[in-house]
Amino acid sequence: AQSVSQHNHHVILSEAASLELGCNYSYGGTVNLFWYVQYPGQHLQLLLKYFSGDPLVKGIKGFEAEFIKSKFSFNLRKPSVQWSDTAEYFCAVNTAGTASKLTFGTGTRLQVTL
Amino acid sequence: EAGVAQSPRYKIIEKRQSVAFWCNPISGHATLYWYQQILGQGPKLLIQFQNNGVVDDSQLPKDRFSAERLKGVDSTLKIQPAKLEDSAVYLCASSLDPAWTGGIFGQGTRLTVV
Repeated sequence: AQSVSQHNHHVILSEAASLELGCNYSYGGTVNLFWYVQYPGQHLQLLLKYFSGDPLVKGIKGFEAEFIKSKFSFNLRKPSVQWSDTAEYFCAVNTAGTASKLTFGTGTRLQVTL
Repeated sequence: EAGVAQSPRYKIIEKRQSVAFWCNPISGHATLYWYQQILGQGPKLLIQFQNNGVVDDSQLPKDRFSAERLKGVDSTLKIQPAKLEDSAVYLCASSLDPAWTGGIFGQGTRLTVV
């Protein structure tokens, strides 16, 4: 069974700072990788996803993530955060090509200060 | 497009009472999921339907939880009797296909058991 680790539980950044949130997964086969964001009081929204091809994936709102297969990682990055990026971020994985469940990490709470 | 509809948004019940949640997925989405998100954790899959059939219910506590999707469209999740540890947000999501290439989440129902 796959598992996902997000080591940063709570991150506080000033506006305009660069962001990198770590995500590592455990699974030996081919995976699909996702980052979701949950703004306060809102539902989970997809930021970006990786299925295959270019390991550098660009998503909405200036976010990107890089899949490094050798490190089983899919870290989320943004060059300059905004106050509106304050939210909880979840990394998720499922096994490619099958009716498999989406497994989430525990989430990282990002707080951006003015 | 219309989102995944869930009701109620909030529910407070006493332990040992029963409760039901309703979900209406995006039109045409054959796959429907129920997730449980306990505070401080990532969502955990409870049950996955493909049309009106169950694909995965391995993490559903079947002694107290039940779910149905009789006509392959909307779905109901029931807890009877509720325990304190069932306090969580219950998320419904739907997807065109069972491999989760583009699932959409609802806003969830926040359950508090007192």
